[in-house]
Amino acid sequence: EVQLLESGGGLVQPGGSLRLSCAASGFTLSSYSMTWVRQAPGKGLEWVSYIRGSGTSTYYADSVKGRFTISRDNSKNTLYLQMISLRAEDTAIYYCAKIDRAAAGPVDYWGRGTLVTVSS
Amino acid sequence: QFVLTQSPSASASLGASVRLTCTLSSGHSNYAIAWHQQRPEKGPRYLLKLNSDGSHIKGDGIPDRFSASSSGAERYLTISSLQSDDEADYYCQTWGTGIQVVFGGGTKLTVL
Repeated sequence: EVQLLESGGGLVQPGGSLRLSCAASGFTLSSYSMTWVRQAPGKGLEWVSYIRGSGTSTYYADSVKGRFTISRDNSKNTLYLQMISLRAEDTAIYYCAKIDRAAAGPVDYWGRGTLVTVSS
Repeated sequence: QFVLTQSPSASASLGASVRLTCTLSSGHSNYAIAWHQQRPEKGPRYLLKLNSDGSHIKGDGIPDRFSASSSGAERYLTISSLQSDDEADYYCQTWGTGIQVVFGGGTKLTVL
């Protein structure tokens, strides 16, 4: 059974940093592309970042480019999102999601999310 | 600019059917999409993948009441025999070269 479990969210001051983790089980992380998606309070889903199955290519939404870094540790079957220079508008639930192939494709499994609150 | 357009809201009666629409932006009418459901206070759940020819593959455990079809640049999700727990937000998603993940704005479905 595929499971994705996010952790690392919390309250952080503007300008601060946070690292989110997503522990994957039930599949081999290195064989699939993965993505982070966020949802601000009362808003829709917003794509944040994507990493190919090979790990050689990463992509970011313009709103987080230069501040967020996606990475993976295949030996630990874990996906990460390093976030720096956080802003109030980064406040959201962050979901880890699996793509159904090693390249771009549909999200076929979602985590339960971890809440990030950026506030002084 | 790649855009997926969804109506903000829809409603239908308990036991009835409803069809939700996701429209692909101009020049992208051959793209496949995925539909996702998000119940109140819950995380999203993958429903199915829908190709431009209308063929679709459902996710694990998705009931037969959920079906999908395509026409030109429009992608549809049809829910029949509506139940109260179908009340949720429904998002379409697509992907492709240079557009790794794109979501529509979502449709809030109310079951009357």
